[in-house]
Amino acid sequence: DVKVTQSSRYLVKRTGEKVFLECVQDMDHENMFWYRQDPGLGLRLIYFSYDVKMKEKGDIPEGYSVSREKKERFSLILESASTNQTSMYLCASSSRQGTYEQYFGPGTRLTVT
Amino acid sequence: LAKTTQPISMDSYEGQEVNITCSHNNIATNDYITWYQQFPSQGPRFIIQGYKTKVTNEVASLFIPADRKSSTLSLPRVSLSDTAVYYCLVGFRSGGYNKLIFGAGTRLAVHP
Repeated sequence: DVKVTQSSRYLVKRTGEKVFLECVQDMDHENMFWYRQDPGLGLRLIYFSYDVKMKEKGDIPEGYSVSREKKERFSLILESASTNQTSMYLCASSSRQGTYEQYFGPGTRLTVT
Repeated sequence: LAKTTQPISMDSYEGQEVNITCSHNNIATNDYITWYQQFPSQGPRFIIQGYKTKVTNEVASLFIPADRKSSTLSLPRVSLSDTAVYYCLVGFRSGGYNKLIFGAGTRLAVHP
């Protein structure tokens, strides 16, 4: 059974802080994704990675960066958190052959005050 | 313009069949259509995927017309536990790769 874990379920940070969200998957998947989920907007892709040290911008990369030093771990970094980055952040992984069959973590609800 | 459109909400009763449609006019010719289910405080969960015509698994069916500009998720005989938000995921051609876009989700409420 695929497991995707995220470092925190809830996080509260102040404006201007640097924030790290960690995601780990245990299925040796090549692809990993970071989404944010907001009411009425569904899931929007921030960044994805199809291999170690590789990354591609999604729809809304501004204000975010990512790091993938190991295959199982994909980190999302908010360089200087702002209140408009308050959201639910979801990490997902998938195999190269099954890009659309993504396995999601439980999410991190981030509040920036 | 790459966009998916789903109804915001639907209501049903236990035992009924529910059909949720997603419109995706500019879908990439070589991409799949995928549907997810999400319960509160959980990440989305894969339900079903198809490319054309009809696909059926143990929980749902997916109908895709020949032009592939829409798809319909069919849930047979829903129960209260099917109350959730349902998302379609579609690929659209963008530059040199396919851009994955989720719909905004359809909130299904199943009543006793």
